[in-house]
Amino acid sequence: GNSVTQMEGPVTLSEEAFLTINCTYTATGYPSLFWYVQYPGEGLQLLLKATKADDKGSNKGFEATYRKETTSFHLEKGSVQVSDSAVYFCALSMTTDSWGKLQFGAGTQVVVTP
Amino acid sequence: KAGVTQTPRYLIKTRGQQVTLSCSPISGHRSVSWYQQTPGQGLQFLFEYFSETQRNKGNFPGRFSGRQFSNSRSEMNVSTLELGDSALYLCASSLGLAYNEQFFGPGTRLTVL
Repeated sequence: GNSVTQMEGPVTLSEEAFLTINCTYTATGYPSLFWYVQYPGEGLQLLLKATKADDKGSNKGFEATYRKETTSFHLEKGSVQVSDSAVYFCALSMTTDSWGKLQFGAGTQVVVTP
Repeated sequence: KAGVTQTPRYLIKTRGQQVTLSCSPISGHRSVSWYQQTPGQGLQFLFEYFSETQRNKGNFPGRFSGRQFSNSRSEMNVSTLELGDSALYLCASSLGLAYNEQFFGPGTRLTVL
């Protein structure tokens, strides 16, 4: 079946540091890929997405590129802020018949210290 | 416009009871998906409803059921509650077509004692 694997946390870094969260996927077919963020006590918010190979999603300084050859969708941000402290989830969805079904990775907690 | 709302936000039940959770999607959205979030299993897909029909289903026992009304509001029901059902239950709504974004509600925190 389809699955998503992302690096374990917590990831602790100082303000203005560079952030990378690794995400790889296994899928039969061509999934769309997503990064969601969850702040404490809240639901999930879509951070960015990519729907086909070589697409780059970007939002709020975060970027991720859909790499079909390495089945990866790593999240990066050049300079993190304390407000970026949250749990980040990589997810996939299959376009063909189950778009409404998101499959998530385990989540990576990011802690940014001043 | 108003976001996805879920009621109640918090719920405490005892084993063996049943519970109904409600989700009101964003106006105009026809798809509602439900997810269970636990520390051990992470985020798991329960089911999706689109235009009052279950379109996708995850790997949960039959104790978990749902429905969707003509106004797209959705409910999920868990019967014969077990301790392991304690979780944050999230619903998400979308227009329901391919590539449409899913918008999540704040969740219902269910505690089973």
